[in-house]
Amino acid sequence: AQTVTQSQPEMSVQEAETVTLSCTYDTSENNYYLFWYKQPPSRQMILVIRQEAYKQQNATENRFSVNFQKAAKSFSLKISDSQLGDTAMYFCAFMKHGPQKLVFGQGTRLTINP
Amino acid sequence: EPEVTQTPSHQVTQMGQEVILRCVPISNHLYFYWYRQILGQKVEFLVSFYNNEISEKSEIFDDQFSVERPDGSNFTLKIRSTKLEDSAMYFCASRAGSDYQETQYFGPGTRLLVL
Repeated sequence: AQTVTQSQPEMSVQEAETVTLSCTYDTSENNYYLFWYKQPPSRQMILVIRQEAYKQQNATENRFSVNFQKAAKSFSLKISDSQLGDTAMYFCAFMKHGPQKLVFGQGTRLTINP
Repeated sequence: EPEVTQTPSHQVTQMGQEVILRCVPISNHLYFYWYRQILGQKVEFLVSFYNNEISEKSEIFDDQFSVERPDGSNFTLKIRSTKLEDSAMYFCASRAGSDYQETQYFGPGTRLLVL
């Protein structure tokens, strides 16, 4: 079974700083997808970024980028120029290729301070 | 932009009562999911649904739970006899279904409180 581990329960940075959230996962699969979802206080789950395991290039979406290390089974999220609206829970998630379920980590509570 | 919708946003019920949570997935999506999140915990998979049948379910999804797609748009989760421990946020998600459209899009959730 796949597992996802987020080792940082909470993080706090100042506005405009860069912050990196860690995620590791365990799988024997070779073809899979990784995601970061954001959950603001409203508790809605919002997709931040996705990475296909077969792609060596790290995904980027505006201020959000990932560092995907397939051999190390590591998938960290970097938020550049952090904004107050980035304050939320961030969940890392794994999904095998195909119509599979998402397996989530425990989440990291990120606070951006003014 | 198309989005997944869920109703109601909040539901309070008495232990032992039946509840039905409703979801309208994105219109051209083929795969549907229910997840739940107990307060302060991670999101957990309940069930996936494709082609009018369950494709996978978790250990949480016991005989008290059922899912249905009664028409071309709605996707429902029924809990027959609610327990206190069913109190959680329930998320519906849908996915397009083509090989390179793996992203699951989540609805805003239904917050269920069992008293």
